[in-house]
Amino acid sequence: DVKVTQSSRYLVKRTGEKVFLECVQDMDHENMFWYRQDPGLGLRLIYFSYDVKMKEKGDIPEGYSVSREKKERFSLILESASTNQTSMYLCASNRAGTILREDTQYFGPGTRLTVL
Amino acid sequence: DQQVKQNSPSLSVQEGRISILNCDYTNSMFDYFLWYKKYPAEGPTFLISISSIKDKNEDGRFTVFLNKSAKHLSLHIVPSQPGDSAVYFCAANSGGYQKVTFGTGTKLQVIP
Repeated sequence: DVKVTQSSRYLVKRTGEKVFLECVQDMDHENMFWYRQDPGLGLRLIYFSYDVKMKEKGDIPEGYSVSREKKERFSLILESASTNQTSMYLCASNRAGTILREDTQYFGPGTRLTVL
Repeated sequence: DQQVKQNSPSLSVQEGRISILNCDYTNSMFDYFLWYKKYPAEGPTFLISISSIKDKNEDGRFTVFLNKSAKHLSLHIVPSQPGDSAVYFCAANSGGYQKVTFGTGTKLQVIP
């Protein structure tokens, strides 16, 4: 069974703080993704990584950065948290080298971040 | 610009009846479509998918229909069960690329 874990289920931070959200997967997947989920907007891709130290911007990368130092771990960083980054953050992973038809994304349980 | 839209934010259905969830897309390059289900406090899980070369795909109680000319797909659940109560996301991608565009979600409530 694929397992994607996220370091925190709930997080409360202050405006201007640096925030780290961690994601770990145990299936040796090459691809990892960070999304945010907001009411009325669905899931939006922030960044994804297709290999260690490789990253690509998604649809809404502004205000975020990422780090992938090890294959199993993908971190999302909010350099200076703002109230409009209050959201549910979801991490996902899947294998590379296959077209999406053969291996859909596996999601973690999410981190509910509140920025005050 | 929302390329994948689910115009009904919520839907209530009696247990045993059919649930129909709709999804519209604007990008004609999309050639693969997926549905994910999400329970509260859990991540989304894959439910069913369809390639643009088909117009229907069935898996047990779940059937997805694709109308390419209308850029519309729908998910049918028959019969609906209380355990189907969740948020359903429609998603699409093109060319096998790993990036997926998700819709806004529809919250389904199946009433016992």
